[in-house]
Amino acid sequence: AQSVTQPDIHITVSEGASLELRCNYSYGATPYLFWYVQSPGQGLQLLLKYFSGDTLVQGIKGFEAEFKRSQSSFNLRKPSVHWSDAAEYFCAVGRAPSGGGNKLTFGTGTQLKVEL
Amino acid sequence: DTGVSQDPRHKITKRGQNVTFRCDPISEHNRLYWYRQTLGQGPEFLTYFQNEAQLEKSRLLSDRFSAERPKGSFSTLEIQRTEQGDSAMYLCASGETSGSGDTQYFGPGTRLTVL
Repeated sequence: AQSVTQPDIHITVSEGASLELRCNYSYGATPYLFWYVQSPGQGLQLLLKYFSGDTLVQGIKGFEAEFKRSQSSFNLRKPSVHWSDAAEYFCAVGRAPSGGGNKLTFGTGTQLKVEL
Repeated sequence: DTGVSQDPRHKITKRGQNVTFRCDPISEHNRLYWYRQTLGQGPEFLTYFQNEAQLEKSRLLSDRFSAERPKGSFSTLEIQRTEQGDSAMYLCASGETSGSGDTQYFGPGTRLTVL
């Protein structure tokens, strides 16, 4: 069964500082990996995804993530955080769609607080 | 591309009542997913459709839950005889399938409160 672990429930960073959110996954085959962001009371917005190819993927809002198969990790990074980045971040692993749908399994999320 | 829409955004009901939620996906997407998110947790998969066919249902989807997607367009999720444990955010996602995978775009969700 697929699973995702986000070890940090809360993270606080100062505006302008760098950010790294951790994500570890468990999946028996090549994973499809995603990062989503959720503002309070809202749905999820896709930040970036990894399907194959280059292990460093770029996303929206200046985010990037690196897939490391040997560590089963897909950590999210941003070099300089803005106050508007305060939100909850979810990592998800999806089943490769070999004829089927892409059921996503999410982590429990990391709540990011940005200090001005 | 108008995005995924869900209606209503909020629903308050009394225990034992039936509720129905609607999801309108992005028009060209053939896959549609339902998830449930409780406070402090990530979304959990409930079910998904490819066109009008419901292809997978989670064990979370008890007999009181039913979902439909007539004509492969919008979808409805009905909960019968609601219980307080059904209180959650119900999220719909529209799936774009390409050669490299299936990317899901989420709607704003329907927040259900069962009193």
